[in-house]
Amino acid sequence: GAVVSQHPSWVICKSGTSVKIECRSLDFQATTMFWYRQFPKQSLMLMATSNEGSKATYEQGVEKDKFLINHASLTLSTLTVTSAHPEDSSFYICSARGRQSNYGYTFGSGTRLTVV
Amino acid sequence: GEDVEQSLFLSVREGDSSVINCTYTDSSSTYLYWYKQEPGAGLQLLTYIFSNMDMKQDQRLTVLLNKKDKHLSLRIADTQTGDSAIYFCAEGGTGGSYIPTFGRGTSLIVHP
Repeated sequence: GAVVSQHPSWVICKSGTSVKIECRSLDFQATTMFWYRQFPKQSLMLMATSNEGSKATYEQGVEKDKFLINHASLTLSTLTVTSAHPEDSSFYICSARGRQSNYGYTFGSGTRLTVV
Repeated sequence: GEDVEQSLFLSVREGDSSVINCTYTDSSSTYLYWYKQEPGAGLQLLTYIFSNMDMKQDQRLTVLLNKKDKHLSLRIADTQTGDSAIYFCAEGGTGGSYIPTFGRGTSLIVHP
């Protein structure tokens, strides 16, 4: 089945530094990638949607200069949290959608970001 | 806009059946999904149902869809402690620009 590999699983960084999170689709072409943020005991908050080779579309309230998304190929998308602050600490999850929509949206295993 | 609603908690005894309910508002949804999330992990697709189906069964899982009422349910037979997790209902469709909508998730607690 479709697999999305997300790395790192967890990361601790200092305030002011940048962190990059990668998502790779291992056995299918991810035409669309979704990046979510999940707060404790809450649902997924969609941050942005990106199609391969295009600029990401950000949801209202999400700072595009702070959360840089790159979807340069059909198998790789990255989210870079720039100048991280403690309030950016959260669980970030990517989801990929291939050409056949009946496979649903395949999720990565998530990245726990802690900014100290 | 589209909205997906779920109850937040469900507690069942091991061996009983669990039924998690979901309602949605977008009548154009093509597919409806159930995902499972264990602590600290991503979401795992459990099953999905096409919008022109009424029921789908997959081992211990039974999905019922009432398209008229826009109501979706997931029944887990013989619930085990390993089924304890958060279950998300989601609706989606075809087309690259279709953005899936997720419910807030139902936390299923299975106790002995």
